[in-house]
Amino acid sequence: GAVVSQHPSWVICKSGTSVKIECRSLDFQATTMFWYRQFPKQSLMLMATSNEGSKATYEQGVEKDKFLINHASLTLSTLTVTSAHPEDSSFYICSARGGARYNEQFFGPGTRLTVL
Amino acid sequence: KQEVTQIPAALSVPEGENLVLNCSFTDSAIYNLQWFRQDPGKGLTSLLLIQSSQREQTSGRLNASLDKSSGRSTLYIAASQPGDSATYLCAVRRNYNQGGKLIFGQGTELSVKP
Repeated sequence: GAVVSQHPSWVICKSGTSVKIECRSLDFQATTMFWYRQFPKQSLMLMATSNEGSKATYEQGVEKDKFLINHASLTLSTLTVTSAHPEDSSFYICSARGGARYNEQFFGPGTRLTVL
Repeated sequence: KQEVTQIPAALSVPEGENLVLNCSFTDSAIYNLQWFRQDPGKGLTSLLLIQSSQREQTSGRLNASLDKSSGRSTLYIAASQPGDSATYLCAVRRNYNQGGKLIFGQGTELSVKP
């Protein structure tokens, strides 16, 4: 149990386009979801926290108009990188908490975004 | 401000050795602590969760301890195997509420040589 999936696992896009990444909790209801960004050889950087049905809370320095987060249901959150630029290239990982194991946080497999 | 430190940053051991990874945190007012494993290019796999009221948790060859008062946790791996090679991350959570964030250490990169 407690499986989190992400789609796509990797994406390559041209500069200026928008990219949507989906995060799903497959076997539990995720009351809270998190989006992280990870650079090579570095730890995870929290971008935002979202509760189902509420607006996301963004960390300092993260542009909310650039990284749109929607937590539309208890099993789905999406991150849209708008007008992507090469500096947005990174590994994006989502995480979810909720259900019977509500104290524990479970992570998706990540999405590798490359912006040309 | 909570800071989490992991020592060592990298560790290389021969197969079969028992090893200890260390995690320290500056603010002892935590709700829980989680240990994760991350393989290259992959997401995080939760290994063990220790609530603040607990002293240790065990899963197979893994044992994690927590000393909240001194701000320390250790992850003990018994009889290490090449398949244990990965980066190990510890993270602390301060609050119970829904927004309670995980604060991560920088990780320990483990290599187990056959």
